Amino acid sequence: EPEVTQTPSHQVTQMGQEVILRCVPISNHLYFYWYRQILGQKVEFLVSFYNNEISEKSEIFDDQFSVERPDGSNFTLKIRSTKLEDSAMYFCASSEKGVSETQYFGPGTRLLVL
Amino acid sequence: QKEVEQDPGPLSVPEGAIVSLNCTYSNSAFQYFMWYRQYSRKGPELLMYTYSSGNKEDGRFTAQVDKSSKYISLFIRDSQPSDSATYLCATNTNAGKSTFGDGTTLTVKP
Repeated sequence: EPEVTQTPSHQVTQMGQEVILRCVPISNHLYFYWYRQILGQKVEFLVSFYNNEISEKSEIFDDQFSVERPDGSNFTLKIRSTKLEDSAMYFCASSEKGVSETQYFGPGTRLLVL
Repeated sequence: QKEVEQDPGPLSVPEGAIVSLNCTYSNSAFQYFMWYRQYSRKGPELLMYTYSSGNKEDGRFTAQVDKSSKYISLFIRDSQPSDSATYLCATNTNAGKSTFGDGTTLTVKP
């Protein structure tokens, strides 16, 4: 069964460093999303992406965040200058036909900022 | 007020029990309703997806939506120890932004 994959599974970085989290959505899906989940808290929407453009973003998704689809298969989340409070699980998701369609989540990348 | 409020739990039931998980939402723009199951340190796994008021059944799971009262429920029949997980309700607008509840942790004891 097709699935969303994410790399790395764990990332440890120093405060102020840049990190890139990578996702490979399901191959025929056109809509892509990033969410984060701080330990013990709820899943929070960051951004949705379609046709090489951001469709919607939350107030969390400020100027330190960016997303990119650098090729036909990868979807990345870049955090330019990490802060301690960026430590969280980051989930990528994708959906096939539209933003209202079922979103399939990847296993997540656990980011720890020291 | 949170956009999606979920009964906090935790919930502990014996094997075979019927489980009821509940959420309310405040935004009438929410049109799509999902239930996810999340095991510890894993990504959410979609269980049920619906967009209309009424019941939707899939095996032991029934999702219920009442748009007039902005209330969504998930029922699990004949609960199994393998159902032990955190259950997340979520809603979508047409823009695709999913808003999640805080989650209810369920333990089914053999």
